[in-house]
Amino acid sequence: QSVLTQPPSVSGAPGQRVTISCTGSSSSIGTYYDVHWYQRLPGTAPKLLIYGNYRRPSGVPDRFSGSKSATSASLAISGLQAEDEADYYCQSYDRSLNHWVFGGGTKLTVL
Amino acid sequence: EVQLVQSGGGLVQPGGSLRLSCAASGFTFENFAMHWVRLLPGRGLEWVSGISWNSASVVYADSVEGRFTISRDDAKGSLYLQMNGLRVEDTALYFCAKDIVAVSVDTSYFDSWGQGSQVTVSS
Repeated sequence: QSVLTQPPSVSGAPGQRVTISCTGSSSSIGTYYDVHWYQRLPGTAPKLLIYGNYRRPSGVPDRFSGSKSATSASLAISGLQAEDEADYYCQSYDRSLNHWVFGGGTKLTVL
Repeated sequence: EVQLVQSGGGLVQPGGSLRLSCAASGFTFENFAMHWVRLLPGRGLEWVSGISWNSASVVYADSVEGRFTISRDDAKGSLYLQMNGLRVEDTALYFCAKDIVAVSVDTSYFDSWGQGSQVTVSS
């Protein structure tokens, strides 16, 4: 069981908007800890997609956006493209465990 | 361009040992903390271990404490993970990852990753 909970899968048609949730607890996201998101295309290394809850590294399209509230965070992908088909992971910190934690990952399928 | 190139990994019997390496280039390696993260089959990513820029701070997940040892050689620009007493549940794809700061903090995240090294523990 991962410390952060994500839906195992989401899907959407090209051009649509999908959201991926990431639920933590009072000792992780519910504290002031930031949430970060990674994209892992099949067979590749994870890539930083969103950091500090909503900030995008240079080169990441603005179709990707992040938000955080209370004990959860969300990644939204608008204008879905076939190349977005990948696994997405959220990451934060847990003060009861005293280390960094990840979600179980969400597989995005572009229909 | 930041590059993290991993080597090591393979198939090992329970109780055995393996050493993973991660060669860094494209940035000043000695200025950043580094980590190991693993992708467990069907269970997502799990943070394994982290080491500060000067090796003064080393931390481990409970699941590997006492069995795994993280180290770095700044002269070689390399990060290592010595894995002893391997268990079936250690089977995973292991990634090295670069922190954004010299000493990891609760707001740390990982801005570059290696390509992954498969570790399979099976009899």
